[in-house]
Amino acid sequence: EPEVTQTPSHQVTQMGQEVILRCVPISNHLYFYWYRQILGQKVEFLVSFYNNEISEKSEIFDDQFSVERPDGSNFTLKIRSTKLEDSAMYFCASTTRTFGEQYFGPGTRLTVT
Amino acid sequence: KQEVTQIPAALSVPEGENLVLNCSFTDSAIYNLQWFRQDPGKGLTSLLLIQSSQREQTSGRLNASLDKSSGRSTLYIAASQPGDSATYLCAVSSGNTGKLIFGQGTTLQVKP
Repeated sequence: EPEVTQTPSHQVTQMGQEVILRCVPISNHLYFYWYRQILGQKVEFLVSFYNNEISEKSEIFDDQFSVERPDGSNFTLKIRSTKLEDSAMYFCASTTRTFGEQYFGPGTRLTVT
Repeated sequence: KQEVTQIPAALSVPEGENLVLNCSFTDSAIYNLQWFRQDPGKGLTSLLLIQSSQREQTSGRLNASLDKSSGRSTLYIAASQPGDSATYLCAVSSGNTGKLIFGQGTTLQVKP
């Protein structure tokens, strides 16, 4: 069964460093999302992406964040200068249509020290 | 602003019991509602998707209902098993891009 994959599973970085989180959505999906979950808190929406552009972003998704679909399979989230408060689990999700069932990847645990 | 609340926050039941998890949302203008399961430290597994025009969906021992006008959904789990132990998340899709707004989850423990 097709699934969303994410790499790495765990990333440790120092404050101020850049990180890139990678996702491979399900192959025939067209809509892509990033969410994050700070330990003990709700899953929060970060950004949605369709047709090679951002369709919506949350207040959290400031200038430090960017997303890209560099080729036909990968979908990346870049954090330019990480802060301690960026420590969280980051989930990628994809779906075939705007209000379709979203399928989530296993997540990348980002730890900023 | 859409807010999603799940009650109870935690639930412990003996194996075999039927149980109901509750989800409420403040804005009834949703496109769909999705229930997920999350095991500790893991990703989210989609359980059921209910479109806004539907009243319920069933998958195996799971049944989810949706009352959009009152802003409520329930997830019914029949004949619970220890393997059902996990956190169950409810999320609604609103706005124009399909983004999901999540509740805080109900952590379920099913004791053998």
